[in-house]
Amino acid sequence: EAAVTQSPRSKVAVTGGKVTLSCHQTNNHDYMYWYRQDTGHGLRLIHYSYVADSTEKGDIPDGYKASRPSQENFSLILELASLSQTAVYFCASRTGNEQYFGPGTRLTVL
Amino acid sequence: SQWGEENLQALSIQEGEDVTMNCSYKTYTTVVQWYRQKSGKGPALIILIRSNEREKRSGRLRATLDTSSQSSSLSITGTLATDTAVYFCATDAPNNYAQGLTFGLGTRVSVFP
Repeated sequence: EAAVTQSPRSKVAVTGGKVTLSCHQTNNHDYMYWYRQDTGHGLRLIHYSYVADSTEKGDIPDGYKASRPSQENFSLILELASLSQTAVYFCASRTGNEQYFGPGTRLTVL
Repeated sequence: SQWGEENLQALSIQEGEDVTMNCSYKTYTTVVQWYRQKSGKGPALIILIRSNEREKRSGRLRATLDTSSQSSSLSITGTLATDTAVYFCATDAPNNYAQGLTFGLGTRVSVFP
C-alpha cells in the first residue's frame, strides 16, 4: 500500500528559529508536494518536485524552502519561522491523477 | 483562486440521510477529484470524475460534473457515522500536470447516530 510518512508529527518552534519538516515516501513516485492547511481553509501548495535534486515554487512559497535529496525524501525548511506559519503541513506523493497524503505535521510558532 | 470564493461549509445530518455538496471552479480542467479528510488525518481520494463523464458512481458515492457551468457535486447516500469528515474538491493546475492540486475550501459533514 502507498505510504507517505512525515516527521515530526507535531512541533513547537520559536519565532525566528529554523524548522525542518521531513517527508518520506515508499511509493516510488516521482512527484512530491508540500501543502499547508489553515483552519477554515483548504490546502494550499507551497513547493513541489518532480525529480530528485530539483524543486519548484507553488502558490505560496514565500518564507519556505524545499529540498529533494532523493526520490524518497522531500523536506520543507522554514529558515526564520514566523507566527503566520502556524499551520498543519501535509506532504504528498503522486501517481497519475491521485495524490497520497501523509498524516500531517502540526507546527505551532510562538 | 481556481475555485469560487465559498467559505468552508458545515452540514449536520443523521445517519441514513443523504447529503450533497457542491463546488464550482473558475478555470478549465479535465478532471475533478474529491478528497475526504478525517480528523487528524491527511486527505484521501474517494472519487474522480473526468470532463467526458457527467456522472460517476462508487459505492454510496456519486459525483457529477457540469463543464458548461464549471461545477461539480458529490452525493453520499445512506450516510454512516464513519462518513463524518471534511470533503474537498480539487483540480489540477491548467496545462501543468506536475504542479499539483488546487483545493476548494471544503465541506464539513457531521453524521450523528
